[in-house]
Amino acid sequence: GQNIDQPTEMTATEGAIVQINCTYQTSGFNGLFWYQQHAGEAPTFLSYNVLDGLEEKGRFSSFLSRSKGYSYLLLKELQMKDSASYLCAVLDSNYQLIWGAGTKLIIKP
Amino acid sequence: DVKVTQSSRYLVKRTGEKVFLECVQDMDHENMFWYRQDPGLGLRLIYFSYDVKMKEKGDIPEGYSVSREKKERFSLILESASTNQTSMYLCASSLMADLAKNIQYFGAGTRLSVL
Repeated sequence: GQNIDQPTEMTATEGAIVQINCTYQTSGFNGLFWYQQHAGEAPTFLSYNVLDGLEEKGRFSSFLSRSKGYSYLLLKELQMKDSASYLCAVLDSNYQLIWGAGTKLIIKP
Repeated sequence: DVKVTQSSRYLVKRTGEKVFLECVQDMDHENMFWYRQDPGLGLRLIYFSYDVKMKEKGDIPEGYSVSREKKERFSLILESASTNQTSMYLCASSLMADLAKNIQYFGAGTRLSVL
């Protein structure tokens, strides 16, 4: 079966750095996505990786290793507004998105 | 900015009622999707559509149907609501030209409670 694993919840301190991991086992691979979802709001697109390596976008970076079925989202200089759930999703061989359950990130002052 | 609008943020319905959830997008996207989101589970695809009057079953279509009469509107129908359909329902859209990358834009969701 297809499976996406990510931690249920993480806590970090304002101003610090946090890494949210995602491992996947899917039928084929056509890219990996990270979305951010604030409580009660729509998920919003953060990043897309299809090749191995690190993609940096401001305070957020996303890394992919296809051989290991592994990705992480790195958030630097954490702000209180970064408190949200972070959803990992993989585009499978049928171009369907397979979603992880999400990681709830709690930022403390 | 892409805007995906879901008609209701909160709905309370009774078991056996027919329920309509409406979704409208304003960016001329070809692809539209309906998901449900439950605690501890990833988003699960109910139905999707790549064109007007076209629909495809997702992973959990049982108990649901959809309608896409116009490009901008995708409706989810619960023919006879049951308590196990209590959930958050999310609508999304994306560009066909972006299929390989498939960035989806989501509505804010409809929280449905079936009593």
